[in-house]
Amino acid sequence: LAKTTQPISMDSYEGQEVNITCSHNNIATNDYITWYQQFPSQGPRFIIQGYKTKVTNEVASLFIPADRKSSTLSLPRVSLSDTAVYYCLVGVGGKLIFGQGTELSVKP
Amino acid sequence: EAQVTQNPRYLITVTGKKLTVTCSQNMNHEYMSWYRQDPGLGLRQIYYSMNVEVTDKGDVPEGYKVSRKEKRNFPLILESPSPNQTSLYFCASSLSPPPGLDGDEQFFGPGTRLTVL
Repeated sequence: LAKTTQPISMDSYEGQEVNITCSHNNIATNDYITWYQQFPSQGPRFIIQGYKTKVTNEVASLFIPADRKSSTLSLPRVSLSDTAVYYCLVGVGGKLIFGQGTELSVKP
Repeated sequence: EAQVTQNPRYLITVTGKKLTVTCSQNMNHEYMSWYRQDPGLGLRQIYYSMNVEVTDKGDVPEGYKVSRKEKRNFPLILESPSPNQTSLYFCASSLSPPPGLDGDEQFFGPGTRLTVL
């Protein structure tokens, strides 16, 4: 049974808004939800983190429904440089669990 | 510059030959962790450490050992590597343990690509 689920890949065009959803049915009650971005040949890099409702920073927004069983990373007006793999990270049963990653391809 | 460093960046070895991958951070972080990344499986946590002399198993600890004798260093040891440990390994550190109530972002190293023949 998958602990977290994300779409494997998504395509978008420059200037569009992209929403990537992660399902995490068994998230620990007190744990935050974190999203990371990874470029080829690099380690993941922190994007945004939240516990509930909505969080926004200079690069993204994170929407978390009341039941916290999923979360949606929103990237406004993507550019070519946003082409990367995006991972959600949650705590499940005392373990840190990354999603399988969503490969986002932004086209001109 | 605040960073996590790993060495070596690339390593090819043979089955059964003990190896160590070093990890060091200069941010005075208490939490350190090792992950492996495999195609289709994403990142999986191997071991983590809350502080000096405090280590615990992650999701996939079999075949690995770690130690935390100093705050800045967290080496990953493969006593008898096998081909199924061929993978891309990342070390990470954070000020506090993720993703708890005080959740903190993890800083990742550049990765070590290991091939076991």
